[in-house]
Amino acid sequence: SAVISQKPSRDICQRGTSLTIQCQVDSQVTMMFWYRQQPGQSLTLIATANQGSEATYESGFVIDKFPISRPNLTFSTLTVSNMSPEDSSIYLCSMEGPGGHEQYFGPGTRLTVT
Amino acid sequence: DQQVKQNSPSLSVQEGRISILNCDYTNSMFDYFLWYKKYPAEGPTFLISISSIKDKNEDGRFTVFLNKSAKHLSLHIVPSQPGDSAVYFCAAMGDSNYQLIWGAGTKLIIKP
Repeated sequence: SAVISQKPSRDICQRGTSLTIQCQVDSQVTMMFWYRQQPGQSLTLIATANQGSEATYESGFVIDKFPISRPNLTFSTLTVSNMSPEDSSIYLCSMEGPGGHEQYFGPGTRLTVT
Repeated sequence: DQQVKQNSPSLSVQEGRISILNCDYTNSMFDYFLWYKKYPAEGPTFLISISSIKDKNEDGRFTVFLNKSAKHLSLHIVPSQPGDSAVYFCAAMGDSNYQLIWGAGTKLIIKP
């Protein structure tokens, strides 16, 4: 299966600041995804990031708060902007699998906002 | 509106026995159903999937059963091993986009 890495693995940030999370995959993929898992909850899709086009955001998520870059077929970044304690979550990136329906996930970034 | 539901927050099973994890859904338009396993401090790991046109898919110790009339699927793990202790998520995908809709997860504990 694919190797997906994320940086940082965890961070503690002050409210009002921004954090950029990096996701690197070991093979070229068209579609990458960013998810959030809030404490005690399941995963929620933030946006889909296709190389060469603007990210597509799900309801409740906006580009100003979660800007995404997808400069090539193996890399993406998610920025959490103007953070508040409510942004404390695990942020996960994923990539589409060969079957077209499964996704493979990175290890996640645990963010705590104080 | 929860489209994918896992009603059991936890399940405890003796090592060597069968573990059965359940999942219900409400949207009959889902095309694929997937099971993921998640250890603490790690991302979810894809286990097995099933197309909506099938009723069973098997991969080693893992078998997924789909009952479309009941809008229900289950994951069977046999025999259960200590390394199977994890949180298991059921997810569903529609044919119009790549979004996975996730259940709340079931924590499986395998007792020695």
